[in-house]
Amino acid sequence: KNQVEQSPQSLIILEGKNCTLQCNYTVSPFSNLRWYKQDTGRGPVSLTIMTFSENTKSNGRYTATLDADTKQSSLHITASQLSDSASYICVVRINTGGFKTIFGAGTRLFVKA
Amino acid sequence: NAGVMQNPRHLVRRRGQEARLRCSPMKGHSHVYWYRQLPEEGLKFMVYLQKENIIDESGMPKERFSAEFPKEGPSILRIQQVVRGDSAAYFCASSPSSGGDYEQYFGPGTRLTVT
Repeated sequence: KNQVEQSPQSLIILEGKNCTLQCNYTVSPFSNLRWYKQDTGRGPVSLTIMTFSENTKSNGRYTATLDADTKQSSLHITASQLSDSASYICVVRINTGGFKTIFGAGTRLFVKA
Repeated sequence: NAGVMQNPRHLVRRRGQEARLRCSPMKGHSHVYWYRQLPEEGLKFMVYLQKENIIDESGMPKERFSAEFPKEGPSILRIQQVVRGDSAAYFCASSPSSGGDYEQYFGPGTRLTVT
């Protein structure tokens, strides 16, 4: 069964600290993996996309890693800011020539001053 | 270039009424996707449409829900005879194509409350 599981479910950190969010997937065949940020009351916005051959990609203070062998990805946030408070969603695309994507339930990050 | 537009942003309906949710994709995008997000849960795929065609509706409930994307105008997600369990945020996304690494751009969502 195609699944995407994220951990932790929620996380509280102090402003300025780093954190790492995890994503494990059992999707096959794999096409790509995206991390989205969803602010409260808004639609998700893409942060990074990674294909099978990529194992790390950065977007400012966000760095995503991918281990296609273990089917794990992580999103590392450096020097967190209050505006990083949001849900972070891992989305894996199935390589069927179409569009099928599987969404994780997300990790809710709270950054406190 | 305006992003994906959804309206209304908030919709309140009484049980048994109909709800119509509209989505205007980004300019140049011909693929539209609808998702539902229940409180404290992840997004769940409902339906994927191209202009005038439903490509995949495997996530749509079999009854009361329908979607269309006419040649002209926005995509419409229609929920007939709403029930309290339909209360959720409904997100629309669009992309220029369905293949490859095309990103889905999401709208701000419509929050449906059924009283």
